Amino acid sequence: KAGVTQTPRYLIKTRGQQVTLSCSPISGHRSVSWYQQTPGQGLQFLFEYFSETQRNKGNFPGRFSGRQFSNSRSEMNVSTLELGDSALYLCASSSNAVNTEAFFGQGTRLTVV
Amino acid sequence: AQSVTQLGSHVSVSEGALVLLRCNYSSSVPPYLFWYVQYPNQGLQLLLKYTTGATLVKGINGFEAEFKKSETSFHLTKPSAHMSDAAEYFCAVSVIPSGSARQLTFGSGTQLTVLP
Repeated sequence: KAGVTQTPRYLIKTRGQQVTLSCSPISGHRSVSWYQQTPGQGLQFLFEYFSETQRNKGNFPGRFSGRQFSNSRSEMNVSTLELGDSALYLCASSSNAVNTEAFFGQGTRLTVV
Repeated sequence: AQSVTQLGSHVSVSEGALVLLRCNYSSSVPPYLFWYVQYPNQGLQLLLKYTTGATLVKGINGFEAEFKKSETSFHLTKPSAHMSDAAEYFCAVSVIPSGSARQLTFGSGTQLTVLP
């Protein structure tokens, strides 16, 4: 069974640009969550999508957005990039069973210069 | 709201020694608890989880953790450290409110160094 796939693995963007990251969950998983990992703030929850609907959202500005497609693949977008957006962005997928765990992808390393 | 505290951002042990990584949580409802491991430039790999039932949970690579409700703790242990255990370890808590929204709250992580 294929794991969670995130593309691209590495990105370098210029301040002010926008970026789109992609996540393909494990087959059959309909819940996709996104996390930002930085040395200063650690792992922080961005949002969760289930069946193409945002079900939960963390405390991030509106520049961070996401969506989910009918095949459960998800994208997150960051507009007007700031230097502080440099981070490892992790995607996690899970089934909707109550006691299941989240399976993480390898992440996308975004560097904003 | 839930929170996780990991005591000790860096822990060093000798190869073959006991590994003990501490995690305390705060939650107003029965929590689900997880330990994840992260190797450099990699994602998170699940070591073990507690949902309900047996409070002593066994995971992969010889790790185990015990859920102690009275102490609000979920410490991770391994009897004998191996060089390959060197990594960063994260404790996480999840609560499932109505609607089954999923959100993990992570501790700040513990970097484990294994000395030869």
